[in-house]
Amino acid sequence: DQQVKQNSPSLSVQEGRISILNCDYTNSMFDYFLWYKKYPAEGPTFLISISSIKDKNEDGRFTVFLNKSAKHLSLHIVPSQPGDSAVYFCAASEGGRDQGAQKLVFGQGTRLTINP
Amino acid sequence: ETGVTQTPRHLVMGMTNKKSLKCEQHLGHNAMYWYKQSAKKPLELMFVYNFKEQTENNSVPSRFSPECPNSSHLFLHLHTLQPEDSALYLCASSNNGAGLQETQYFGPGTRLLVL
Repeated sequence: DQQVKQNSPSLSVQEGRISILNCDYTNSMFDYFLWYKKYPAEGPTFLISISSIKDKNEDGRFTVFLNKSAKHLSLHIVPSQPGDSAVYFCAASEGGRDQGAQKLVFGQGTRLTINP
Repeated sequence: ETGVTQTPRHLVMGMTNKKSLKCEQHLGHNAMYWYKQSAKKPLELMFVYNFKEQTENNSVPSRFSPECPNSSHLFLHLHTLQPEDSALYLCASSNNGAGLQETQYFGPGTRLLVL
């Protein structure tokens, strides 16, 4: 059973407009959420994260929103640029582990295409 | 440049071959990870090492054998693989402590093809 889901495999957005990528999760123990961006032939690159004690985190053009009651998070990119075209993965982890490394659970990814 | 390097970037091997994937992190992190990404599937965690000790084996078949000689280096030894093991193998590292929420940083991956 997939604990982290990205239900849109692809998204196409006009340059300059807002891109909204969505992610749903089922495990209520998740308390740390991350977005990664991946270009072809490269590894995922960390973009932005949010802790469950917050409902919003902003970094430049990127904002992540967390709705704990709905178990939903979203990534907003505004304005969208052609260089934002990539696959975006959301990931989640449980905190409070004793001296343990973080075990991230990933969604399937959403391919974002920004059209000029 | 993320500070995590992987070699080789591409590998083609037969089912009877033995090969090794190498990962090195230059970030001073204390945890390292192996992930597998198959076509149209999410990244799947394979192994976790924390301070050189394996803390997680996510039901990975024994034909995959990890080795972590120190906190900066991680290997994945491959033997008698199957064609369905063809995938992108990603290494990651992070800095972990009790209860801390730390970001994992990924290498570029090794694209493996098993014939």
